Amino acid sequence: DTGVSQNPRHKITKRGQNVTFRCDPISEHNRLYWYRQTLGQGPEFLTYFQNEAQLEKSRLLSDRFSAERPKGSFSTLEIQRTEQGDSAMYLCASSFFGPAYEQYFGPGTRLTVT
Amino acid sequence: SQQGEEDPQALSIQEGENATMNCSYKTSINNLQWYRQNSGRGLVHLILIRSNEREKHSGRLRVTLDTSKKSSSLLITASRAADTASYFCATDPNTDKLIFGTGTRLQVFP
Repeated sequence: DTGVSQNPRHKITKRGQNVTFRCDPISEHNRLYWYRQTLGQGPEFLTYFQNEAQLEKSRLLSDRFSAERPKGSFSTLEIQRTEQGDSAMYLCASSFFGPAYEQYFGPGTRLTVT
Repeated sequence: SQQGEEDPQALSIQEGENATMNCSYKTSINNLQWYRQNSGRGLVHLILIRSNEREKHSGRLRVTLDTSKKSSSLLITASRAADTASYFCATDPNTDKLIFGTGTRLQVFP
């Protein structure tokens, strides 16, 4: 399968714990995006990379969130000191560079903070 | 924040009927895309229409774009039970990231 993959698919954690998610994009794509989706809403942009450079971060991405894309391949999204409000689906997408390229989404990681 | 809104929020139809969903957005765009999401799953890209295009077809899908009204519509013809999903429009407002609408939940009954 050459699509976007995300791990884990589900994560249950207690409030205050740190969690890390991984995204493996389509190998030819140089753009990688992270979105967050809560129940009944559309995905909301968090951040994106072009190769290894993080080009933009949303104001939704508080100091507890950090994302990396070492070597311009896979990416990780870490949430420190999780809060119940962090419970959501975290979606990763990749694309070619440019304004008119579709984004290919992974299956998402569903985070539940108890 | 969401860029736009889909209308209706929910739509129920019988198999074989057509389904029309509308999307309104707020700022100028490079392109507009439609995605489908099955319950609890990732998004699947359906179609992309550029800001200088007015209509585009892909199989049973027809998308229109009216930049003067900042609106788009997605028509699914001869719907099938497998079309049951949430449908989102997403715009690229000159920022290289997608801004999604709130979605239309489509239910197609066999």
